[in-house]
Amino acid sequence: DGGITQSPKYLFRKEGQNVTLSCEQNLNHDAMYWYRQDPGQGLRLIYYSQIVNDFQKGDIAEGYSVSREKKESFPLTVTSAQKNPTAFYLCASRQLLRPGELFFGEGSRLTVL
Amino acid sequence: AQSVSQHNHHVILSEAASLELGCNYSYGGTVNLFWYVQYPGQHLQLLLKYFSGDPLVKGIKGFEAEFIKSKFSFNLRKPSVQWSDTAEYFCAVTARTLSSNTGKLIFGQGTTLQVKP
Repeated sequence: DGGITQSPKYLFRKEGQNVTLSCEQNLNHDAMYWYRQDPGQGLRLIYYSQIVNDFQKGDIAEGYSVSREKKESFPLTVTSAQKNPTAFYLCASRQLLRPGELFFGEGSRLTVL
Repeated sequence: AQSVSQHNHHVILSEAASLELGCNYSYGGTVNLFWYVQYPGQHLQLLLKYFSGDPLVKGIKGFEAEFIKSKFSFNLRKPSVQWSDTAEYFCAVTARTLSSNTGKLIFGQGTTLQVKP
């Protein structure tokens, strides 16, 4: 079945450590996105990419980094510079010709101790 | 800047009650509108969408939404809810010109719906 796989589902990290969240899709979608979900704040866009080897900052990119070396993969690194990294992270993808119709993964919950 | 506001943060209904969740957006141009749903333990998924044409759109599982341009609103409705509708609901908007280039969605804060059997 086609879909988006995020890993790990749960991750604990000590302050000062970087952590990378994986996102893989087999939907052959060109565009991929990372959102952060916090209670009462909805989803906020961190980074997005519409083509391999290119990506753009979203609304809350500070303290995060991404790469897009392959079409099917869009990993997110939460760096030690992110001041409040404990959150639920969602990866999504879409076909370029279907704006706004995102397919989401099941999410990764990061807790910083 | 675009923004989306969902007025109801937590709604509790009994089965068979009617549902209406409010959504207002701020943007002066042409928009595409969406409702997404997140059932407990499942991934976020598209419930319905509006691009153009008939302002009353129908989605999955008996849900519908009405776009009222003059009110900048896109409220979600269902005549009779079921226990299985318990979920978190997100309204989202993208500017038509922006979405054609980036597909960036702006989400509301979400509304948690709890349906009592």
